[in-house]
Amino acid sequence: GNSVTQMEGPVTLSEEAFLTINCTYTATGYPSLFWYVQYPGEGLQLLLKATKADDKGSNKGFEATYRKETTSFHLEKGSVQVSDSAVYFCALRSSGYALNFGKGTSLLVTP
Amino acid sequence: EAQVTQNPRYLITVTGKKLTVTCSQNMNHEYMSWYRQDPGLGLRQIYYSMNVEVTDKGDVPEGYKVSRKEKRNFPLILESPSPNQTSLYFCASSYQAGTVPYEQYFGPGTRLTVT
Repeated sequence: GNSVTQMEGPVTLSEEAFLTINCTYTATGYPSLFWYVQYPGEGLQLLLKATKADDKGSNKGFEATYRKETTSFHLEKGSVQVSDSAVYFCALRSSGYALNFGKGTSLLVTP
Repeated sequence: EAQVTQNPRYLITVTGKKLTVTCSQNMNHEYMSWYRQDPGLGLRQIYYSMNVEVTDKGDVPEGYKVSRKEKRNFPLILESPSPNQTSLYFCASSYQAGTVPYEQYFGPGTRLTVT
């Protein structure tokens, strides 16, 4: 079946540090891949997505590249801010409309 | 404003007392879904609906019911809640057209505690 594996958190970084959150997946066919972000007390918001191999999704300074050869979709940001503190979820959609989520990675950015 | 609303946002109840969590979207989306979020487990799908009167089980449907009588509403029903249903619940919706991966919009969540 489909599954998503994310690096364990929490991740604590200083402001302006470089961020990488690893995500790998197992899926049949050619899934679409997503990163969602959940700010404290809120629902999930789509951060970025990629629908085919070698696509790069980007938004708000975050990027992720769909790597079919390594079945990965790692999230990166060159310089994090305190306002980026949140929980980040990697997800995939293979057939149908259901999203398979990873367990989430909590990020805390300190001033 | 395009949004998914859920009510109530917080609920504390006792074992066995039937409850309903409402979900409504104003984007005319065909697809709607319920997830539960538990620490260390991420989000797991409970039920989903492809359109009015069309519903199906997700990964963890036991102990839940849903209905889709109108396109905008997708209530989650717990006929006899148990403590293991204590969780954070999210409703989501999206357009549906072939295999296009439209964005799913999430509600703000309902935190349910069953004692």
